[in-house]
Amino acid sequence: EAQVTQNPRYLITVTGKKLTVTCSQNMNHEYMSWYRQDPGLGLRQIYYSMNVEVTDKGDVPEGYKVSRKEKRNFPLILESPSPNQTSLYFCASNRVGGGQPQHFGDGTRLSIL
Amino acid sequence: GENVEQHPSTLSVQEGDSAVIKCTYSDSASNYFPWYKQELGKGPQLIIDIRSNVGEKKDQRIAVTLNKTAKHFSLHITETQPEDSAVYFCAASIMDSSYKLIFGSGTRLLVRP
Repeated sequence: EAQVTQNPRYLITVTGKKLTVTCSQNMNHEYMSWYRQDPGLGLRQIYYSMNVEVTDKGDVPEGYKVSRKEKRNFPLILESPSPNQTSLYFCASNRVGGGQPQHFGDGTRLSIL
Repeated sequence: GENVEQHPSTLSVQEGDSAVIKCTYSDSASNYFPWYKQELGKGPQLIIDIRSNVGEKKDQRIAVTLNKTAKHFSLHITETQPEDSAVYFCAASIMDSSYKLIFGSGTRLLVRP
C-alpha cells in the first residue's frame, strides 16, 4: 500500500529537549515536504526536499532542521523545541513533474511544555 | 508571494443539499489548484484538482470551477452525505517550477442527517 508514515503520532515533551519526527514514504517520490497546521492558518510549509541531499526552506523554517540522506526518509528535527512549536505536523511526498498530487501522512501532534 | 483566501470557514448543510466552498488566489502564475479533504485524525487527502488550462472538472458528486481572470476557484459538492463532513482545504501551486502548495485556511463542512 502506497503511504507516508510519520512517527511518533503524538508527543508531549519539554522546552529545550531535542526531538526528531521521522517520515518515510514507499512510493519512490523525489519531492518531500513538512508542514505545520495551526487553527485558522491552514497548512504552512516548513522545509522541502527536491531529492536526496537537496533541501530548502519553506515559509516557516525557524527552529527546525531537516535532512535527506535517503530518498524514502525525511526527518524533521527540533534541536531546542519551544512552546510556539506546539502544533500538528504533516509530512508529504509527490513525484516531480506535471502537477503530481501530494500524499500526506496522518500527522504528528507535538505539545511542547 | 502567493496568498490563498478560503470562505466560508464553517458550512452547515442538510443532507442532500449542495455545498460550495470558494477560494481566491493572488499570484497569476499559479496554474495548479488541488482540493483536499481532511477527516479527524487523518492527513489531507486529495479529492479533485484542476489545472489552469481547464475551466471546470467533475468527478461524480464533486466539481471544481476555475475563473482565471478573477483568480478564484470553487468546490461544489452535490447531494451531500454525512460522510462528506470534514475539513476541506483549497491550495494553489505553480507546476513544474515549485511544488510548493499554498493552502487556504480551511472550511469545516457539517452535513446534518
